[in-house]
Amino acid sequence: VQLVQSGAEVKKPGASVNVSCKASGYTFTSYTIQWVRQAPGQSLEWMGWINTGNGYTKYSQKFQGRVTITRDTSASTGYMHLSSLRSEDTAVYFCARDRVVIGNDAFDIWGQGTVVTVSS
Amino acid sequence: SYVLSQPPSVAVAPGQTARITCGGNDIVSKSVHWYQQKPGQAPVLVVYDDRDRPSGIPERFSGSNSGNTATLTINRVEAGDEADYYCHVYDSKNVIFGGGTKLTVL
Repeated sequence: VQLVQSGAEVKKPGASVNVSCKASGYTFTSYTIQWVRQAPGQSLEWMGWINTGNGYTKYSQKFQGRVTITRDTSASTGYMHLSSLRSEDTAVYFCARDRVVIGNDAFDIWGQGTVVTVSS
Repeated sequence: SYVLSQPPSVAVAPGQTARITCGGNDIVSKSVHWYQQKPGQAPVLVVYDDRDRPSGIPERFSGSNSGNTATLTINRVEAGDEADYYCHVYDSKNVIFGGGTKLTVL
């Protein structure tokens, strides 16, 4: 069971970024996928989650309107799209899996993280 | 919105017991999960649902939850336990993380 994320990205302010999260070793559509970011030296910050079965999403109010989380069930892959990037969005972005099928639980599997750097 | 408060740092000598707290209003009514994160690595789940351990996590790690405070306890602390620790709950389907506690092994 693992989640493998896409590689590092460097973006200019105002641009958008897409980070992917490919799942393997389990039934992708049975477990919610979460997205969490961590700015340098800072705490974990939740961005949102997606029910991979029905596509329902829940976003943090902080990112509402700027983040879109989707999934491709045929590819067992989740995606996080963040727009209107600014320097404060420089961070490591993680995907993670809910521990149980019904969701709203602990995160038992994490991706390796994707470094996103926003710089002019 | 719901807020979780953790002490920024805790320091203990090897072999001693470390207790890391996570404060929140009536946190006992929520399930608390704990993660360990070492530098440059993804977090690892060490305790879920207040007190349960995933397979592979040593019995030295335990959790409790009462009133307005949840606690992660690490018995017989080892040098390898030095890391940042984060608590996590849900509030109205939103994920809430504590600010994290840096555990230093003296």
